[in-house]
Amino acid sequence: KQEVTQIPAALSVPEGENLVLNCSFTDSAIYNLQWFRQDPGKGLTSLLLIQSSQREQTSGRLNASLDKSSGRSTLYIAASQPGDSATYLCAVRLDGGFKTIFGAGTRLFVKA
Amino acid sequence: DTAVSQTPKYLVTQMGNDKSIKCEQNLGHDTMYWYKQDSKKFLKIMFSYNNKELIINETVPNRFSPKSPDKAHLNLHINSLELGDSAVYFCASSQEAGRGNTIYFGEGSWLTVV
Repeated sequence: KQEVTQIPAALSVPEGENLVLNCSFTDSAIYNLQWFRQDPGKGLTSLLLIQSSQREQTSGRLNASLDKSSGRSTLYIAASQPGDSATYLCAVRLDGGFKTIFGAGTRLFVKA
Repeated sequence: DTAVSQTPKYLVTQMGNDKSIKCEQNLGHDTMYWYKQDSKKFLKIMFSYNNKELIINETVPNRFSPKSPDKAHLNLHINSLELGDSAVYFCASSQEAGRGNTIYFGEGSWLTVV
């Protein structure tokens, strides 16, 4: 059974700091991995999607990496800003199906 | 234009009532989902339809019944509401044909059962 774990559960950093959010999954037979952002009282917004054959994806200040064999992904946020404060969720799409399993998320707070 | 829209956004209702949440996507996607986010913020898949065909049906009480009249709509009907049904319900969609499969979420429907 696929399980997705995110560490840390919460993180508080000063503005401008570079930071890394971690995601691990127990079964390496994945189709893709997606990082989302959720603001309070809102839905989820997709940030980056990495296919199982890819190693990383970049969008602006965000960089996501995938190491399928070790069951790990990281989301790197450069030069953090207060507007980055949100919950970040990692989601793994199982291979051979339509099911996506979500982690519990990392709550990020960037202090001005 | 809202890509995935769901109504109502807030719903307060009494135990035992029957209620529906509607969802529509204008992205032309072929797959739609219902997720439940509980008080601990854990997001869990409930149902998924691909081209109006039910493809995921998780262990959900049969009081919950999805209905997809067409590819752009996926509604969720809940019978005999219980206190434990209080949660945020998210509708989502993705395009399965071809690579990509980015999932797009609606804003959520906050259901409170009293």
